[in-house]
This record gives sequence, C-alpha cells and structure tokens, in this order.
Amino acid sequence: EVQLVESGGGLVKPGGSLRLSCAASGFTFSSYSMNWVRQAPGKGLEWVSSISSSSSYIYYADSVKGRFTISRDNAKNSLYLQMNSLRAEDTAVYYCARVGGTWLLRGTLDYWGQGTLVTVSS
Amino acid sequence: DIQMTQSPSSVSASVGDRVTITCRASQGISSWLAWYQQKPGKAPKLLIYAASSLQSGVPSRFSGSGSGTDFTLTISSLQPEDFATYYCQQANSFPALTFGGGTKVEIK
Repeated sequence: EVQLVESGGGLVKPGGSLRLSCAASGFTFSSYSMNWVRQAPGKGLEWVSSISSSSSYIYYADSVKGRFTISRDNAKNSLYLQMNSLRAEDTAVYYCARVGGTWLLRGTLDYWGQGTLVTVSS
Repeated sequence: DIQMTQSPSSVSASVGDRVTITCRASQGISSWLAWYQQKPGKAPKLLIYAASSLQSGVPSRFSGSGSGTDFTLTISSLQPEDFATYYCQQANSFPALTFGGGTKVEIK
C-alpha cells in the first residue's frame, strides 16, 4: 500500500525557517517524481515545487522561488522541503504527492499524504 | 502561465441528481487534465486523469470529458459520500501544475 506521511509542520515566526519531511513507503520511491502542494486555510490548492526521480530536475512556483528548497534522499525514501524567510501568506497545510508513473498519469498526483500544517505568525 | 477556471464555485444538489462541473483552461492543454475530490480535513483524492480516464477504485458514476480548453466532470447519480469539493488541475505544463479554484458540492 502506498503511504506518504508528512511531518515537521508547526508554528514559526515571520522570517523564520522550517523543514518539512515526507516519508514514503509501499512503492519504489526512487522511480517517481514528487511534489509539494499547499492549501491555505479555507482556500484552494496551490502547487509549490516538483523534483524528478533522480533530483535532476527541480521546479518551484514563483511564490516560493528563492525561499524554499525541495530535495529528496532516495536511500531513505524521503522527500523534504526547506522553507526559509517564511511569511504569513505561507500559512497552509502542506501535502507531499506522488506523480503517477505512466505516460497518461504524467503530471497527475495519484497519491497524497495527509498533510502537515505550517503556521507563520508572530 | 496557464490559468484554470472552474464553474460553478458551489452547487446544491440532492442525492440521485446528475451534477456537472466545468473547468476551462486559459490556453489549450490537449487532454492533460485531472480531477480531484477533497473532503473536509482530508487530502485530495484523484478521480480522473487524462481528461476521461477513471482512476482505479473510483466509482463509475464519475466521468470526465473534454479536450483543448473546455472540460467537464459529471457525477451521474449523486451519492451521500460525494458531497465534497472538486478541483481540476492541468498537467500540460508539467512540472508546473495549476489547479482550478474548486467547486463545492453541497446538500440541497
């Protein structure tokens, strides 16, 4: 069974940093691209960042570029999101999600974690 | 950037009703469109990919259609467990993904 479990969320002051983790199991983690998607309270879904299976390709939404860093450790089946210079508008539930492995599932997020809440407030 | 516009933003319907949700892309995205269902406090769940392919385990009352810029998600006979928020997402510009604003399906 595919499982994605996020951790690392919490309360942080504006300008602070936080590192999110996502532990993957039930599939060959090193074969899949992974993403972070966030959802502000009461709002819709916003794509944050994507990393290819071997970390060769990394992309960010403009809203987080230069402040957030996505990474992965395939030996540990783990995905990370280092968040620096946090702002109030970064407050959201952060989900890690797997990109489907077939051609038709390209760019489609077929499994999601339960999310971890990040609150940026003084 | 590709923008995704969903309509309506909310819909009230009864059990057994046929419900249709529309998603429009700001430019052509071929069939690179997915639909997700999200219930309160839960993660989104993939329903439809490549515009019309049903994800494994998803009931057949859900169907998707469209290509280019205009897409629809149809629930043929609304069930109590279908009351949720639905999002479309374009995958044409993968890895940069864009979601629609969501459509909340409420009990009438």
